[in-house]
Amino acid sequence: GENVEQHPSTLSVQEGDSAVIKCTYSDSASNYFPWYKQELGKGPQLIIDIRSNVGEKKDQRIAVTLNKTAKHFSLHITETQPEDSAVYFCAATAGGTSYGKLTFGQGTILTVHP
Amino acid sequence: NAGVTQTPKFQVLKTGQSMTLQCAQDMNHEYMSWYRQDPGMGLRLIHYSVGAGITDQGEVPNGYNVSRSTTEDFPLRLLSAAPSQTSVYFCASSPSFNQPQHFGDGTRLSIL
Repeated sequence: GENVEQHPSTLSVQEGDSAVIKCTYSDSASNYFPWYKQELGKGPQLIIDIRSNVGEKKDQRIAVTLNKTAKHFSLHITETQPEDSAVYFCAATAGGTSYGKLTFGQGTILTVHP
Repeated sequence: NAGVTQTPKFQVLKTGQSMTLQCAQDMNHEYMSWYRQDPGMGLRLIHYSVGAGITDQGEVPNGYNVSRSTTEDFPLRLLSAAPSQTSVYFCASSPSFNQPQHFGDGTRLSIL
């Protein structure tokens, strides 16, 4: 089945800096890669997603890049703000016999210091 | 429009007890799923459903049962609770595969 590795596990930045979180996946048939933000006591919320026919997608301060050859994708947050502090998860959907099942990375705790 | 609603929010059980975690969505989504979240392990898929009457196993299905009699509801049953099932459980729904999933706020379950 699909395996998703996420790094780093914790990330601390100063307000205004950029933050980058990286994920690798194992199933070359995977074709959908969402990113979720989870605040304390809440369920994950989708912040951006990308499909395998696109190399990059941007939404204001958030961007995601996908390298299908290397099987990795990254989340980029620019001009970070204290309210960006949360746990971030990457995910990938499996192909083949596990089609459509979402596999999550282990999560990154992002702390933005004012 | 409530989205995905999970009940209860907190529950403490004794080993061997059974219980049902409720999940309801009002978005007419076909796809629903259950995950458990444990420290350092992200979210792991327990069971999922692609529509009423259709369910399938995820990555960690042992000890859990599901059924989907309506589009709106997708309950998760613990047959005989074990301490290893202490976790936070999340229900999610989406219009179909490979579409953004909407999560509930979770049920925090402790088994003594």
